[in-house]
Amino acid sequence: ETGVTQSPTHLIKTRGQQVTLRCSSQSGHNTVSWYQQALGQGPQFIFQYYREEENGRGNFPPRFSGLQFPNYSSELNVNALELDDSALYLCASSPDSVYGYTFGSGTRLTVV
Amino acid sequence: KNEVEQSPQNLTAQEGEFITINCSYSVGISALHWLQQHPGGGIVSLFMLSSGKKKHGRLIATINIQEKHSSLHITASHPRDSAVYICAVVDETSGSRLTFGEGTQLTVNP
Repeated sequence: ETGVTQSPTHLIKTRGQQVTLRCSSQSGHNTVSWYQQALGQGPQFIFQYYREEENGRGNFPPRFSGLQFPNYSSELNVNALELDDSALYLCASSPDSVYGYTFGSGTRLTVV
Repeated sequence: KNEVEQSPQNLTAQEGEFITINCSYSVGISALHWLQQHPGGGIVSLFMLSSGKKKHGRLIATINIQEKHSSLHITASHPRDSAVYICAVVDETSGSRLTFGEGTQLTVNP
């Protein structure tokens, strides 16, 4: 399978709810990173997984958590949603060489 | 001060014009990426640079490691080039995470 697929493409949730966003990476891409992009801003690093273990985290609270699976898919979970969590969430994967990235099209989350 | 700064923030050009977007960064890097983002969010990787210059079609990217500066040039611009162009760096101390600039919104009018 080629490319990075994210699902869903759009999502509306209510403040306080929990959400799970999914990313399916290319075979062989052991590194996956998640980014949050607020409207009009550049993406901000949330965390990164390498071979199913978290190996880097940005300035996001613990209610942002993730998982990476052996089949190169991954999840971003956000608990206790806040209005400010409304953003485009992007995942990017790369092979072990770490230099090349393939991005998904993103999930646009709206918290009301 | 952001670690990665781009200029200009917004750029409007007429079809056919030569366009330059600049990126300055303040950290040591192992690589710099130029990315293109269209409305709706999808990001396409245009270039990855660690030194020198790369060319792909009408796009040229250069980097000066000593000056911590990179430029993206578009020759013979076309309305389909309209998009947000984002510079992102791989901080040499942070593994493979990307730090992004805030992007340059390019509009090319026919």
